[in-house]
Amino acid sequence: GENVEQHPSTLSVQEGDSAVIKCTYSDSASNYFPWYKQELGKRPQLIIDIRSNVGEKKDQRIAVTLNKTAKHFSLHITETQPEDSAVYFCAARGGGGADGLTFGKGTHLIIQP
Amino acid sequence: EPEVTQTPSHQVTQMGQEVILRCVPISNHLYFYWYRQILGQKVEFLVSFYNNEISEKSEIFDDQFSVERPDGSNFTLKIRSTKLEDSAMYFCASGEEFTNEKLFFGSGTQLSVL
Repeated sequence: GENVEQHPSTLSVQEGDSAVIKCTYSDSASNYFPWYKQELGKRPQLIIDIRSNVGEKKDQRIAVTLNKTAKHFSLHITETQPEDSAVYFCAARGGGGADGLTFGKGTHLIIQP
Repeated sequence: EPEVTQTPSHQVTQMGQEVILRCVPISNHLYFYWYRQILGQKVEFLVSFYNNEISEKSEIFDDQFSVERPDGSNFTLKIRSTKLEDSAMYFCASGEEFTNEKLFFGSGTQLSVL
């Protein structure tokens, strides 16, 4: 089955700086890669996603890049703000809409004021 | 904005008891899922459900677990003979259709097995 590795486990950045979180996956058939943000005690919320036929996607301060050959994808957050502090999970899903997501272990992003 | 709703928000049970966790997916969604998250750990896939049957299940989803869509709106997860290690946050999620892979999660049920 799919295995998703995520690094780093904790990331502390100064407010206004950029943050980058990286994930690798094992199943070359995986074709959908979402990123979720989870604040303490709350539900995971989808912040951005990318499909395997696209190399990069951007939404305001958030961007995701995908390298299918290397089987890795990254989340980039620019101009970080205190409200960006949360745990971020990457995930991967194989073919077929019903397949379950395999999540990474999460990155605790801390924005230092 | 439509949301996936889950009840109860917290459930405390004795080891060996059966629990039923309830979910109301977003109304026009066709794919339904259960995930769990043990405190401080990653979210883990349990089962997916489509067209009134299980589509996929993980190795976690053994005979102790079952899912059901008893009517047009509810989606339930039953855990028989609960064990201490079943203590976790259980999230229901739903997805719109095959061509739209976005999943929306409910707020979760925190299950504590004593």
